[in-house]
Amino acid sequence: KNQVEQSPQSLIILEGKNCTLQCNYTVSPFSNLRWYKQDTGRGPVSLTIMTFSENTKSNGRYTATLDADTKQSSLHITASQLSDSASYICVVSSPRGTLTFGKGTMLLVSP
Amino acid sequence: KAGVTQTPRYLIKTRGQQVTLSCSPISGHRSVSWYQQTPGQGLQFLFEYFSETQRNKGNFPGRFSGRQFSNSRSEMNVSTLELGDSALYLCASSLASRGNYNEQFFGPGTRLTVL
Repeated sequence: KNQVEQSPQSLIILEGKNCTLQCNYTVSPFSNLRWYKQDTGRGPVSLTIMTFSENTKSNGRYTATLDADTKQSSLHITASQLSDSASYICVVSSPRGTLTFGKGTMLLVSP
Repeated sequence: KAGVTQTPRYLIKTRGQQVTLSCSPISGHRSVSWYQQTPGQGLQFLFEYFSETQRNKGNFPGRFSGRQFSNSRSEMNVSTLELGDSALYLCASSLASRGNYNEQFFGPGTRLTVL
């Protein structure tokens, strides 16, 4: 069964600190992996999209990595800001278009 | 360019009623997907429409249905509402089918509460 597991479920960090969110998946075959940021009360916003051949992709202070061999991805947030407080969702797509969603990691950046 | 819009933003219904939610995609986008989001289950795929045809469907009962119009606007209907249907319903649009590399853009969602 295709699954996407995210950890931790929730995380609290101090403003200015770095953090790393994890995503493990069992989706096969694999097409691409996406990280979304969802602010409370809003729809998800895409941060990165990575295909099989991409190991790293950055978007400002967000850097996503992908290891297709171990089926693991991480999202690293550098120098966190209060506005980074949100839910981060990992989504894996198969070549046929089936999307499998993780349940998200809730990040709270504390002043 | 205007983003994805959803109406209404909030809705309160009682069990047994039916509800229709609306989604206007980004201009030029032909694919519209619907998702249900609950705290316990996260995002779950309902269905996708592309050029007025349902392309993909998730594992939801027949009470959940949708359609897409020629201008790509989409509606989702839920009949005989149950308490468990309380959720945030998100619509996402993309240029082509959601499974491709095309990025999906989400709307703000409709918060449905069933009493």
